[in-house]
Amino acid sequence: SFELTQPPSVSVSPGQTASITCSGDKLGNQYVSWYQQKPGHSPVVVIYQDNQRPSGIPERFSGSFSGNTATLTISGTQAVDEADYYCQAWDSYTAIFGGGTKLTVL
Amino acid sequence: QMQLQESGPGLVKPSETLSLTCTVSGGSISSSGYYWGWIRQPPGKGLEWIGTIYYSGSTYYNPSLKSRVTISVDTSKNQFSLRLTSVTAADTAMFYCVRVGFCSGGSCYDTLRYFDLWGRGTLVTVSS
Repeated sequence: SFELTQPPSVSVSPGQTASITCSGDKLGNQYVSWYQQKPGHSPVVVIYQDNQRPSGIPERFSGSFSGNTATLTISGTQAVDEADYYCQAWDSYTAIFGGGTKLTVL
Repeated sequence: QMQLQESGPGLVKPSETLSLTCTVSGGSISSSGYYWGWIRQPPGKGLEWIGTIYYSGSTYYNPSLKSRVTISVDTSKNQFSLRLTSVTAADTAMFYCVRVGFCSGGSCYDTLRYFDLWGRGTLVTVSS
């Protein structure tokens, strides 16, 4: 299986754009999903299939993919977006998670 | 609206077996559009996939846990379960049951899999 690498932390000012990356050698062959987890809560999917947003997820969340890196972008970041974010992909039938990124909205 | 709810002992002794059940409400576990699975999260740490069961009955497990894990489905009770044997303190974690979606835009493929619904989680502590 492969590894997914995320920065441990990202800081952003309210109203600015936050970008969280997820890199992995085999990522080009897989779709990436992104999960948001707020303290004391279960994770929630915010992006799947690289760039698809589930119903109910604000439009400010978007996903992209280039080369071996997936990126979660939050435009016009709000205080409520402060959370841990995890990327995830599949290696055949094994699910792989990135180590998580703590997004701080300063 | 489908919901998932984990249940089971919150405390397990070292070397014993951890058993958890996930009850599916608001829909049938036999729905052909979903798979089912378990994910855990040690306190203060990241997410770790435990395993997935497909509606064919096939199961796939995290290689690091494969020798100790069993996931099964009981369609009569609309539940699926997790068994983890020979637990140690390192198995202390929040355990989440999850639904795996694999359809998008009317197409369904395993390559589209993602965890589209999570239970609230249940904390299991391994301690004597």
